[in-house]
Amino acid sequence: GENVEQHPSTLSVQEGDSAVIKCTYSDSASNYFPWYKQELGKRPQLIIDIRSNVGEKKDQRIAVTLNKTAKHFSLHITETQPEDSAVYFCAASIFSGGGADGLTFGKGTHLIIQP
Amino acid sequence: NAGVMQNPRHLVRRRGQEARLRCSPVKGHSHVYWYRQLPEEGLKFMVYLQKENIIDESGMPKERFSAEFPKEGPSILRIQQVVRGDSAAYFCASSRRDSDGYTFGSGTRLTVV
Repeated sequence: GENVEQHPSTLSVQEGDSAVIKCTYSDSASNYFPWYKQELGKRPQLIIDIRSNVGEKKDQRIAVTLNKTAKHFSLHITETQPEDSAVYFCAASIFSGGGADGLTFGKGTHLIIQP
Repeated sequence: NAGVMQNPRHLVRRRGQEARLRCSPVKGHSHVYWYRQLPEEGLKFMVYLQKENIIDESGMPKERFSAEFPKEGPSILRIQQVVRGDSAAYFCASSRRDSDGYTFGSGTRLTVV
């Protein structure tokens, strides 16, 4: 089955600086890669996703890159703000015409924005 | 347009009792997924269901755990004879047949005492 590794487990950056979180996956059939933000006691919230036919996607301060050959994808947050502090999870799954398989999650990165 | 509804939000059970967790997917979503999250850990896939069918239960423990998604009504995750190690947050997600996007519920936090 799929295995997703995520690094680092904790990331502390100064407010205004950039943060980068990296993930690798093992199953070359995976074609959907979402990123979730989870605040303490809350549900995971989708912040951005990328599909395997795209190498990069950007949404305001958030961007995701995907390298299919190396089987890794990264989340980039620029101009970080205190409200970005949370746990971030990467995930991978296979989507076919009949629906999406279950997500395999990384272990999460605790992002701390220092004022 | 309500999102994924899970209830109860918090559930306390004594060891040996049964826990029943309910999940109503987004209207129009035919696929339901259950995940377990232990404290300070990521989400672990448990089971993927479509109406009246279990598609993938590779993440379900072999004993005491079962799931269903009947033709009518919510999906149910049932844990029989709960033990302290079952204490976790259980999240449900739903998706449409023709989409790779998932919507998560707010979770049920199970505490076994």
